[in-house]
Amino acid sequence: DIQMTQSPSSLSATVGDRVTITCRASQGVADYVNWYQQKPGKAPRLLIYAASNLQSGVPSRFSGSGSGTDFTLTISGLQPEDSATYYCQQTYTNPFFGGGTKVEIK
Amino acid sequence: QVTLRESGPALVKPTQTLTLTCTFSGFSLSTTAMCVSWVRQPPGKALEWLARIDWDDDKFYNTSLKTRLSISKDASKDQVILTLATMDAADTATYYCARGVMIAGVIALDSWGQGTLVTVSS
Repeated sequence: DIQMTQSPSSLSATVGDRVTITCRASQGVADYVNWYQQKPGKAPRLLIYAASNLQSGVPSRFSGSGSGTDFTLTISGLQPEDSATYYCQQTYTNPFFGGGTKVEIK
Repeated sequence: QVTLRESGPALVKPTQTLTLTCTFSGFSLSTTAMCVSWVRQPPGKALEWLARIDWDDDKFYNTSLKTRLSISKDASKDQVILTLATMDAADTATYYCARGVMIAGVIALDSWGQGTLVTVSS
């Protein structure tokens, strides 16, 4: 199985900050990476698919990049409603989620 | 509007088999490139993908759990059924079903059920 390692596991940032979350695959996965946002008690929500494509309805402050083994989710201009846990997922082989990054607002 | 809803027992005993049903609407699992996946999340922990069934009845399982998992579909009822055998306390989790769509060459889970909490306890 191709595993995904996310970092950091948690972060605290101020409204308006630029936040970056990284995910590293244990083997190359081309651009077969999706990103999800999950708020407490809720189901995950698709943010980014195929590494860099914004899902319909997702604010443009969210962006994704990367290919191969290294991937990034960026929030440009953090908003209070972005407080959540974010997961990367590879779908190159049997899907595997990263361990999650909890984003808190200072 | 796409909706999915998980149903099944909230409590199971150790060694029992769990059967969960995902009832969906707003799409057809007979449509090319459509699929349904199951994902679980133990309390306070990360998401774990379990299984997927495709429009053409192809099935895929989590490598670590494949001997215990089974996924099937009833297209006439718009349902997907997941069974997990030999339940253990470590299987206590919220279980989600989600629609998978092929977009830009990858399968992404774009609609999710609300999840159902399953507790394993005697």
